[in-house]
Amino acid sequence: EVQLVESGGGLVKPGGSLRLSCEASKFDFNNAWMSWVRQAPGRGLEWVGRIKRKSDGGTTDYAAPVKGRFTISRDDSKNTLYLQMNSLKTEDTAVYYCTTERGSYYDYWGLGTLVTVSS
Amino acid sequence: EIVLTQSPATLSLSPGERATLSCRASQSVSIYLAWYQQKPGQAPRLLIYDASNRATGIPARFSGSGSGTDFTLTISSLEPEDFAVYYCQQRYNWPPENTFGQGTKLESK
Repeated sequence: EVQLVESGGGLVKPGGSLRLSCEASKFDFNNAWMSWVRQAPGRGLEWVGRIKRKSDGGTTDYAAPVKGRFTISRDDSKNTLYLQMNSLKTEDTAVYYCTTERGSYYDYWGLGTLVTVSS
Repeated sequence: EIVLTQSPATLSLSPGERATLSCRASQSVSIYLAWYQQKPGQAPRLLIYDASNRATGIPARFSGSGSGTDFTLTISSLEPEDFAVYYCQQRYNWPPENTFGQGTKLESK
């Protein structure tokens, strides 16, 4: 069964940086489009961004609230997805989920990692 | 920008009853709508995609219907494990800002 395991969350001050990782296994990561979706405490789901597979150009797209601050990358040799978050704001506090994306739906999800931005 | 509005916000039912959850889009999304289930402390799980197709491993008691702007998720006979929050999501427009609805909490009466 598909496994996605996020790590790297924690407490960071406003303006700080954090890098999340998502280790993937038991599926063909090289050929997968991958997304990050977040959920603020007690709130709904919010798409953060995605990265296409290399054969489709490996390009990235971002939601407006994070564009210019967050960067998604992948290392197919390590079956790992990354989310580099810079200039963090309190409103970025959320559980961040790594997901596979198929036809712009999110079919497999990790358990998530909590990012808390607070002074 | 397409906005998805789910109703009701909370639905209180008993095991064995039929649940009907609604998702309305502010403009047509054709059939490009999915439903997810999220239990407390867990990640969301894809239930239905393209309005009416069950995802892998989803029980037959879950069904989706609708097209255009009005969609329904039906759970034919509630099991105890079905009490959760349900989200709809559209993939019709790009970028997918506000791609998810705000959720319906299905609670046990």
